[in-house]
Amino acid sequence: EAEVAQSPRYKITEKSQAVAFWCDPISGHATLYWYRQILGQGPELLVQFQDESVVDDSQLPKDRFSAERLKGVDSTLKIQPAELGDSAMYLCASSINYGTPTGELFFGEGSRLTVL
Amino acid sequence: AQTVTQSQPEMSVQEAETVTLSCTYDTSESDYYLFWYKQPPSRQMILVIRQEAYKQQNATENRFSVNFQKAAKSFSLKISDSQLGDAAMYFCAYLYNFNKFYFGSGTKLNVKP
Repeated sequence: EAEVAQSPRYKITEKSQAVAFWCDPISGHATLYWYRQILGQGPELLVQFQDESVVDDSQLPKDRFSAERLKGVDSTLKIQPAELGDSAMYLCASSINYGTPTGELFFGEGSRLTVL
Repeated sequence: AQTVTQSQPEMSVQEAETVTLSCTYDTSESDYYLFWYKQPPSRQMILVIRQEAYKQQNATENRFSVNFQKAAKSFSLKISDSQLGDAAMYFCAYLYNFNKFYFGSGTKLNVKP
């Protein structure tokens, strides 16, 4: 069964360092989401792509976070420099299309970031 | 603004018993979708059940069913015949405009053998 792949599963870094997360959505899924999930809370959207275009990055802290999906397939989320408050689970999700009420998001297992 | 509220941070149920998880949401829209997602420990989040707001009939999926009260903006999940594998975080989610998801803070469900 097709799955959303994410790496690394776990990342420990020191503050002020750079960190990057990678996501490969299910083949054919045009829409890709990056969510941040702080322990004990629900996922919060950071950025949403439709193919290679950003359709929503209103909650992305652009002074330190960046995201790209150059060929409309896999995606990278970068944090530079990392801060203590960035410790969280970073979830990638994909869905078949944008603007159609299929509704289902397919999630990866997430990348857990710990900033020391 | 759309908000989703789950007022039960944690719940417990005895194996084979029934449990209901609560969710309320705030919206001014008339057409939207509601979901329950399950996040097992160290595993990916998966869809449990979906409800279209224009449908009056409550959705059911095997042991999972919802009580959708549109006027009250309430969307509860009932799990019947609870199993050990049902232990997880459960998130209520609201889909607006077909592409914007809003998640609640989650309810941790413990299943006691």
